[in-house]
Amino acid sequence: GAVVSQHPSRVICKSGTSVKIECRSLDFQATTMFWYRQFPKQSLMLMATSNEGSKATYEQGVEKDKFLINHASLTLSTLTVTSAHPEDSSFYICSAIRNGRERDEQFFGPGTRLTVL
Amino acid sequence: AQSVTQLGSHVSVSEGALVLLRCNYSSSVPPYLFWYVQYPNQGLQLLLKYTSAATLVKGINGFEAEFKKSETSFHLTKPSAHMSDAAEYFCAVSAHASGGSYIPTFGRGTSLIVHP
Repeated sequence: GAVVSQHPSRVICKSGTSVKIECRSLDFQATTMFWYRQFPKQSLMLMATSNEGSKATYEQGVEKDKFLINHASLTLSTLTVTSAHPEDSSFYICSAIRNGRERDEQFFGPGTRLTVL
Repeated sequence: AQSVTQLGSHVSVSEGALVLLRCNYSSSVPPYLFWYVQYPNQGLQLLLKYTSAATLVKGINGFEAEFKKSETSFHLTKPSAHMSDAAEYFCAVSAHASGGSYIPTFGRGTSLIVHP
């Protein structure tokens, strides 16, 4: 199956700093990637849709100035959490869409655990 | 509009016993349905998916699920639980869209606990 990687897998930062998380599709090109946030013992919450070469589409309630998304190439999307605060601590998961002849398929990255002190 | 309800946030079974994780969906159009498994501090792994072909879908690790339109259900089963099956399981639904793309809606998840 297709592989999606995330880097870093874990990050601990001080309050007020910015953190960048990378999502890469390793063996296919992805014009569309998604960013999810998952709180402990809860489901995935879609934050935004990342589109290569255009602005990301944010879900209602997600601050676009706080969660900066850049999809600069067909294999890389980045999520930058700006001026992080303890309430931003969470598990962030990306997914990438592989376009198929019959339908598209979604593949998930392994996630990034962000802890803000 | 689409939604998923997973009945029971926790399911506890003994090793070797039947596993049944319940999922009911709501969708205004014919759905695609998915089950994902998540191990601690890891991403989601696709177990199986229903895409309007056979209603009984077999997945990895011995899991299977049956699409029942009349009951709007897509319950996940495994005949005999193994300790390694202990994980979080998510049911998801998406709708057909032009070009075959979709954005799935996830259920809240069910934590499967397997006792020796």
